[in-house]
Amino acid sequence: DGGITQSPKYLFRKEGQNVTLSCEQNLNHDAMYWYRQDPGQGLRLIYYSQIVNDFQKGDIAEGYSVSREKKESFPLTVTSAQKNPTAFYLCASSISSVNYNEQFFGPGTRLTVL
Amino acid sequence: GDSVTQMEGPVTLSEEAFLTINCTYTATGYPSLFWYVQYPGEGLQLLLKATKADDKGSNKGFEATYRKETTSFHLEKGSVQVSDSAVYFCALSDPTSGSRLTFGEGTQLTVNP
Repeated sequence: DGGITQSPKYLFRKEGQNVTLSCEQNLNHDAMYWYRQDPGQGLRLIYYSQIVNDFQKGDIAEGYSVSREKKESFPLTVTSAQKNPTAFYLCASSISSVNYNEQFFGPGTRLTVL
Repeated sequence: GDSVTQMEGPVTLSEEAFLTINCTYTATGYPSLFWYVQYPGEGLQLLLKATKADDKGSNKGFEATYRKETTSFHLEKGSVQVSDSAVYFCALSDPTSGSRLTFGEGTQLTVNP
């Protein structure tokens, strides 16, 4: 089955630690995205990648970093510089980012920083 | 910049009631408009879309019409079911930004039997 996998579903970390969230897709999509979801605020774009070895900042990139070394993988690192990291993180992909193409979402990772 | 505003929630309805969730937008160009749905504990799924003025998107009994004159894309369903309980997000894609989506804040819908 084609789709997007995010792991783990729940993640707990101590304050001051960096943590990396996994996102893998086998849809052969060029574009991938990371969103943060907070109650009552909808989804906000953190980073996106249009193609391998390329990525751009979204609206709330501070305190986060990404890499895109392989087409199918787009990991997100939440660094200790992120002031309020506890949130639900969603990864998405689309065929390309040139002109609109439907975004397909993973099941999400809920990060709690203690 | 682009923005999307949804009616405040949460919305609670009885089964078979009529549903309307309001959505208005601000965009510099001529955006495409979308409704996504998020069931508990899951990611988002595209529910319906409309790419130009007066287009009507429909799926699973839900409908929304792209109204350029009122910059709106309200979601409607004639008879809701308990299984429709979810969070609904209105979103837009500006043609100058490729596949980037701007989301509204989401509306929680609960349908009681």
